[in-house]
Amino acid sequence: DTGVSQDPRHKITKRGQNVTFRCDPISEHNRLYWYRQTLGQGPEFLTYFQNEAQLEKSRLLSDRFSAERPKGSFSTLEIQRTEQGDSAMYLCASSLGGTGVEGYTFGSGTRLTVV
Amino acid sequence: QKEVEQNSGPLSVPEGAIASLNCTYSDRVSQSFFWYRQYSGKSPELIMSIYSNGDKEDGRFTAQLNKASQYVSLLIRDSQPSDSATYLCAVSRGSGYSTLTFGKGTMLLVSP
Repeated sequence: DTGVSQDPRHKITKRGQNVTFRCDPISEHNRLYWYRQTLGQGPEFLTYFQNEAQLEKSRLLSDRFSAERPKGSFSTLEIQRTEQGDSAMYLCASSLGGTGVEGYTFGSGTRLTVV
Repeated sequence: QKEVEQNSGPLSVPEGAIASLNCTYSDRVSQSFFWYRQYSGKSPELIMSIYSNGDKEDGRFTAQLNKASQYVSLLIRDSQPSDSATYLCAVSRGSGYSTLTFGKGTMLLVSP
């Protein structure tokens, strides 16, 4: 168990380009979450998977954002036509699913800078 | 009203003192409560969870929950300079949801 892995750690892109981030959760965790965090703010929920099913998506998530978890293991988050307002730390987290809500384990994050 | 509120701080305490961090939440049906520590430039790290009214202790940390007042707190005893970080309160979104809502965090500064 090497924890939650995110790749890349840093990404600088030009406005209008597409970017894709990858997250590998802890192997036995069936729940996977994407959050976004900007300076001075707490993590903001984007979307949530249980196994391969995307069960919840924030209303804040525009149609430029899409996430997948095709085999219930790793997940990708794609942002199309990036805007400067997309600059943030993108955090992936995972947890072991159960009957309640349990604490997440976060990855190290992907810091996106849109120039 | 924001869903999870925390004083942004900074809260400054001397080494060895007790640091008290507070959080209020708006959703009365929230059942699960967590405290995360986040060092500058790093990702959040889970340090405490609490689900029932009362106190829960783990080493130098004590989490306190009062659901009637919709209030969660974290006490850090014998504060150390290494405790200097931002502390995030996270609350489950209530029945039927599996996700957490985070506050903005309180910055704690422990001076030697």
